[in-house]
This record gives sequence, C-alpha cells and structure tokens, in this order.
Amino acid sequence: KQEVTQIPAALSVPEGENLVLNCSFTDSAIYNLQWFRQDPGKGLTSLLLIQSSQREQTSGRLNASLDKSSGRSTLYIAASQPGDSATYLCAVKGSGAGGTSYGKLTFGQGTILTVHP
Amino acid sequence: NAGVTQTPKFRILKIGQSMTLQCTQDMNHNYMYWYRQDPGMGLKLIYYSVGAGITDKGEVPNGYNVSRSTTEDFPLRLELAAPSQTSVYFCASSRDRYNEQFFGPGTRLTVL
Repeated sequence: KQEVTQIPAALSVPEGENLVLNCSFTDSAIYNLQWFRQDPGKGLTSLLLIQSSQREQTSGRLNASLDKSSGRSTLYIAASQPGDSATYLCAVKGSGAGGTSYGKLTFGQGTILTVHP
Repeated sequence: NAGVTQTPKFRILKIGQSMTLQCTQDMNHNYMYWYRQDPGMGLKLIYYSVGAGITDKGEVPNGYNVSRSTTEDFPLRLELAAPSQTSVYFCASSRDRYNEQFFGPGTRLTVL
C-alpha cells in the first residue's frame, strides 16, 4: 500500500528566505507526482506535475524534483513571500494494477508554511 | 471555463438524513474522483469514475454511493448520514489517469 509522508509538518520562515519542502513515498510504481497548494477553507490548486520519467519541473519561483528510485520529491520555493503562506500537499498517482490504486492519487498530510514579513 | 464546480458549499445534516453532493466539470474529462479531507489528515479517495457509466470504489467507500450518467456530472450520495461523515468533500477530474487532477472548491459537511 502506497504511503506518502511530508516533512516538516509545519514551517515558519522570514520573508525572502529560500526553502525546501520534502515528500517521500513507499512504492516507486507511480505515473506522476503532483504538488498542490491549499489556502485555509479553500480547494486545492495544482502547482506542479512531474511525470515518472522526469527529474524536475519549474514554474516561476517553484522547482520540484523527483527521484523515483529513492521515493523522494522536493519542492523548492525561492525568495519566499507572505503570499506563499498556505498548506502544501504532495500526491502520487499510482500505476499499480489493483483496482483501488490504479490512477488514484495518494496524498501526504501536508506542510503548513508560514512566511512572515 | 468554470473548471470543477461543487454545490453546496456548506451543509449541516442530522444523523440519518440523506443528501447528494453535486459535482460538475466542463473540461470534457473522462476521469472524476471524490475525496474527503479530515482535519490534520491527507485526502482519502471515496469513489472514482473512468467514464460515463463506469464507477469504482476507492479507499473509504462505506456509507456513500455514486453514479455517472454523463461525462460532466458525478454526484455523491450519502444515504444515512453519520457523525463520522463530517468532513470536507472534494471533487476532482482529469483527462485520463496520466494527467493532473483539477479540484473543485469543496463542500463542508457537518453531521450532528
């Protein structure tokens, strides 16, 4: 059974700092990994999608890497801003043959990020 | 495009009542999903559908039912609401199993 762990559970940094959020998963049989942002009381916004054959993806100040063999992904945020404060969720899409895992996302519990001015 | 829309935004139910959470997407996606999110927990898959007329159970299907009569709509039905079903429910869709999922804004449900 796929399990996804995110470290740290919470992070508080001053504005302008570069930071790294970590995600690990137990089963390397994945199609892709997706990073989401969730603001309090809101839905999930997709930030980056990395296919299993890719090593990294970039969007603006965000860079996500994937090491499928070791079951790890990192989300790097450059020059953090107070507007980056949110919960960041990592999710992997399994490629297992089981009916309940085929194509579904397995989520980590998230990292709560606070960027203070 | 509106993307994925969900109604209602909030709902309070009494134990034993029933209700349907609505989900609609306008992206012509084949795959649709229902997740629930409990405080401090990640999202758990309830049901999913790979196309009109085809649905399957996820990790936590007990107490729920779904149907998929059209590509656009994927309603989630709670027949006998229980306090354990108090949660935030998210609907999502994707073009296929390989591509990113897009999420709706969620329905916050409280069962008292």
